[in-house]
Amino acid sequence: NAGVTQTPKFQVLKTGQSMTLQCAQDMNHEYMSWYRQDPGMGLRLIHYSVGAGITDQGEVPNGYNVSRSTTEDFPLRLLSAAPSQTSVYFCASTGRSRGPSTDTQYFGPGTRLTVL
Amino acid sequence: AQKVTQAQTEISVVEKEDVTLDCVYETRDTTYYLFWYKQPPSGELVFLIRRNSFDEQNEISGRYSWNFQKSTSSFNFTITASQVVDSAVYFCALSEGFYNQGGKLIFGQGTELSVKP
Repeated sequence: NAGVTQTPKFQVLKTGQSMTLQCAQDMNHEYMSWYRQDPGMGLRLIHYSVGAGITDQGEVPNGYNVSRSTTEDFPLRLLSAAPSQTSVYFCASTGRSRGPSTDTQYFGPGTRLTVL
Repeated sequence: AQKVTQAQTEISVVEKEDVTLDCVYETRDTTYYLFWYKQPPSGELVFLIRRNSFDEQNEISGRYSWNFQKSTSSFNFTITASQVVDSAVYFCALSEGFYNQGGKLIFGQGTELSVKP
């Protein structure tokens, strides 16, 4: 299993450009989420999905779109990049445990985005 | 409203010392999950533990132990005999609801632990 993969690892954009951050998991997990990490603020939830075709907003959704057409993929789209979106973006995948606490939490390696 | 507070922004210890990282949470739900993650300097997030609100047993895994106390809404993390490799940022996180077993996490601000040789 590759776990959770994210591409690209690094990206530099100019203000106003659009782009898509890719996230994929091969564990057949129901939940997928996107977070952004900014210095001193921990991680904040942008959007999440509880299954294919179902998405919802998190704490900081403005400026981002998501869709979940398959269980495996959960891309994050920046519609018109702004310097305030400079951050590290993490995708996460979660399976539903059916027994005692087990290791069902996985984060991707992150995408470092800079918007000039 | 849900919230996670890690009041210790930075901690510095000398190798072999024990260190406790504090985590206090707020939630109105009776069913919730608490997590700890480690973020080493390389940047990835490493899952350490998940506890549900119905299980207050303390847990030990090698040099790591966790103390969950619902009475004080705390889920503290202790590293015994710290090592330089423990240097990282540690995050405590909360998710609410029976079916949300981590799909929506609320993170604390993180505690940066520095272990000096």
